[in-house]
Amino acid sequence: GQSLEQPSEVTAVEGAIVQINCTYQTSGFYGLSWYQQHDGGAPTFLSYNGLDGLEETGRFSSFLSRSDSYGYLLLQELQMKDSASYFCAVRDNYGQNFVFGPGTRLSVLP
Amino acid sequence: EADIYQTPRYLVIGTGKKITLECSQTMGHDKMYWYQQDPGMELHLIHYSYGVNSTEKGDLSSESTVSRIRTEHFPLTLESARPSHTSQYLCASSESETRYGYTFGSGTRLTVV
Repeated sequence: GQSLEQPSEVTAVEGAIVQINCTYQTSGFYGLSWYQQHDGGAPTFLSYNGLDGLEETGRFSSFLSRSDSYGYLLLQELQMKDSASYFCAVRDNYGQNFVFGPGTRLSVLP
Repeated sequence: EADIYQTPRYLVIGTGKKITLECSQTMGHDKMYWYQQDPGMELHLIHYSYGVNSTEKGDLSSESTVSRIRTEHFPLTLESARPSHTSQYLCASSESETRYGYTFGSGTRLTVV
């Protein structure tokens, strides 16, 4: 089976940098994804890490350490529109689908 | 424009009714999924399909059923709705989960009274 942990809430101010952590336990490991979901909206894909290291996409970066079973999403130059829930999702070597974490609610303050 | 559509957007029905939630995608994706999500909570996989005539149950036990007769269409049916089925149901499809992730529809918010 798989289990994922994320902080339930994170608060930051506009222009700041915030890091959302995700730790996981799986019987194997294939990859870690991140999704953003605004209130009342659908989740949207942000990034995928299959190998250790940092992947950068604009203001968002995602990091993975397979030896530590740990990853994070880094959001830079925070904007009000970044207020949303962020979910990590993992797929193990044996499963075909991704399992989602409990989500982190990010609030960006002016 | 390629997209994934869910109808209805909101639905309130009485206990015991049979309902079908519609999901269609125009992207030609083979893989499609149904997730259940309570407000502010994690997504739970209830059904998935890797192609026509292929359907499997997900990790979350569900009293719903699905069918996949056409690539673009993946409806979910509840034979007898109960208040415990009140939730949001999200349909998704994917071409490559590692490059593009899942594409989700806007969801159906179901309330059973």
